[in-house]
Amino acid sequence: GENVEQHPSTLSVQEGDSAVIKCTYSDSASNYFPWYKQELGKRPQLIIDIRSNVGEKKDQRIAVTLNKTAKHFSLHITETQPEDSAVYFCAAFLSGSARQLTFGSGTQLTVLP
Amino acid sequence: ETGVTQTPRHLVMGMTNKKSLKCEQHLGHNAMYWYKQSAKKPLELMFVYSLEERVENNSVPSRFSPECPNSSHLFLHLHTLQPEDSALYLCASSQDSLAGGNTGELFFGEGSRLTVL
Repeated sequence: GENVEQHPSTLSVQEGDSAVIKCTYSDSASNYFPWYKQELGKRPQLIIDIRSNVGEKKDQRIAVTLNKTAKHFSLHITETQPEDSAVYFCAAFLSGSARQLTFGSGTQLTVLP
Repeated sequence: ETGVTQTPRHLVMGMTNKKSLKCEQHLGHNAMYWYKQSAKKPLELMFVYSLEERVENNSVPSRFSPECPNSSHLFLHLHTLQPEDSALYLCASSQDSLAGGNTGELFFGEGSRLTVL
């Protein structure tokens, strides 16, 4: 099966700075890597995803990079704002695993004003 | 009502009680999921239903019993739970299988916060 490690578990940045969260996965056959954001007391929501045939994807202030050789992928948030404060979860999908995403343990991001 | 809705939002039960969590999705999706979210742990997949048939069970204890009467409704029946089962239980749905180039986006409900005394 798949195993996803996520670091750091907590991250504090000053407003306007960048934040980077990293995840590693174990199964090289994994081919889909989404990131979910969960604000306090709210449901997780997809913010960006990437497939294994792409190395980088960007959507405004957020970007995800994927290194298939090293089996790690990262979330980059630039020009952070207080509303970016939330828990971020990475996940990996292993093809053939019957619709199962394996999630990382989450990163609590705090953007300090 | 839109999206994925869960009831109740909060539930306190004793170890001998029987209760059920309910999930309803209004998105026309074909797959529904139960996840357990405990503090500082990864989201744990409990059950997956696709077109009303259970696909994954992930070795969940039998004190948790899912039911999916149709593609829009999902239940989690709870019986003789343990204090360590206290957690946030999240329901999710997706359009279809994550295979075949689908985006695979999961749409989550707001969760049912369960406390077992």
